[in-house]
Amino acid sequence: SQQGEEDPQALSIQEGENATMNCSYKTSINNLQWYRQNSGRGLVHLILIRSNEREKHSGRLRVTLDTSKKSSSLLITASRAADTASYFCATPPGGGNQFYFGTGTSLTVIP
Amino acid sequence: NAGVMQNPRHLVRRRGQEARLRCSPMKGHSHVYWYRQLPEEGLKFMVYLQKENIIDESGMPKERFSAEFPKEGPSILRIQQVVRGDSAAYFCASSPPSSSRDTQYFGPGTRLTVL
Repeated sequence: SQQGEEDPQALSIQEGENATMNCSYKTSINNLQWYRQNSGRGLVHLILIRSNEREKHSGRLRVTLDTSKKSSSLLITASRAADTASYFCATPPGGGNQFYFGTGTSLTVIP
Repeated sequence: NAGVMQNPRHLVRRRGQEARLRCSPMKGHSHVYWYRQLPEEGLKFMVYLQKENIIDESGMPKERFSAEFPKEGPSILRIQQVVRGDSAAYFCASSPPSSSRDTQYFGPGTRLTVL
């Protein structure tokens, strides 16, 4: 399978704590993207990191990419109850048409 | 600028019936993608279309499933003779007509339940 795989599958933390989730992939990529999906809803694009970037920030989000290890991490700082959702990494294979999604990390932030 | 729109949001069908799912891409987008998400799983690519053309249908089941994106109107994903295993959330995404299609914008999905 060329899909990304997120780790952990589920994560439960207290509000205010940081949440870290990881993603591993198998093929070479041009970029890697993270999406959020609230229960029963569609996907919201969070952040894109290109293959020549090692780290990227957006608000409370910090994404790292290690192409040598074919892995990425998403850090959400100072978590809020509203961050409760599933988080997916997605990789578009170079020159390809489709995005490959992992199975996601289900994050629960307890108020 | 409205985002990607899908309708219906929820669809219930009995086994053997047909399901028609519609997707209107974002304004100015000419690339449409369909994905299926089974419960507790990630999204799986089904088909990629441009106006009046199927570009990549490698993820689409060979039987009962078809997709189109006509010159006018929304993209349609059609499932004939639905079975219980077709119950899933179906998401449509669109991207602009540029050489770099880095980001796909997703619709809210259609949740199909087959009784």
